[in-house]
Amino acid sequence: GDSVTQMEGPVTLSEEAFLTINCTYTATGYPSLFWYVQYPGEGLQLLLKATKADDKGSNKGFEATYRKETTSFHLEKGSVQVSDSAVYFCALARGSFQKLVFGTGTRLLVSP
Amino acid sequence: KAGVTQTPRYLIKTRGQQVTLSCSPISGHRSVSWYQQTPGQGLQFLFEYFSETQRNKGNFPGRFSGRQFSNSRSEMNVSTLELGDSALYLCASSYDRDQSYNEQFFGPGTRLTVL
Repeated sequence: GDSVTQMEGPVTLSEEAFLTINCTYTATGYPSLFWYVQYPGEGLQLLLKATKADDKGSNKGFEATYRKETTSFHLEKGSVQVSDSAVYFCALARGSFQKLVFGTGTRLLVSP
Repeated sequence: KAGVTQTPRYLIKTRGQQVTLSCSPISGHRSVSWYQQTPGQGLQFLFEYFSETQRNKGNFPGRFSGRQFSNSRSEMNVSTLELGDSALYLCASSYDRDQSYNEQFFGPGTRLTVL
């Protein structure tokens, strides 16, 4: 079945450091890929998405590129802020199914 | 436009009881999905409703059920609660304008604790 694997956390960085959170997937066909963020005590917010190979999703300084050849969708940000501290989830959805398959989540802690 | 709302936000029940959680989607959204989030299993898909019909179902026992009303509001019910049902239950809605995947918007969740 479909699955998403992402790096375990926590990832601890200093403010203005470069961020990479790895995500790889297994799925038949051509899924859409997403990064969601969850702040403490809140639900999930869509951070960015890509719907086909080589698409780059971007939002709030975060970027991720849909790499079909490596089945990856790694999240990057050039300079993190304390306010970026949260849990980040990589997810996929196939076709018209409104079913998201999530990775285990990666907690990011950014210190001043 | 108001976001997805879930009630109640927090709930404490004892083993063997049943519980009903409610979700009001964004106005105009016709699809409602439910997810369970636990530290051990992460985020798992429960089911999706569209036009009052269950369109998709995850791998959960029959104790977990749901329904959707004509105004797209949805409820999920868990009967005979077990300790392992303690979780954050998230509801998400989407417009579902065509046959492709449509972005889901999540509510803040209901935190269920089973004692």
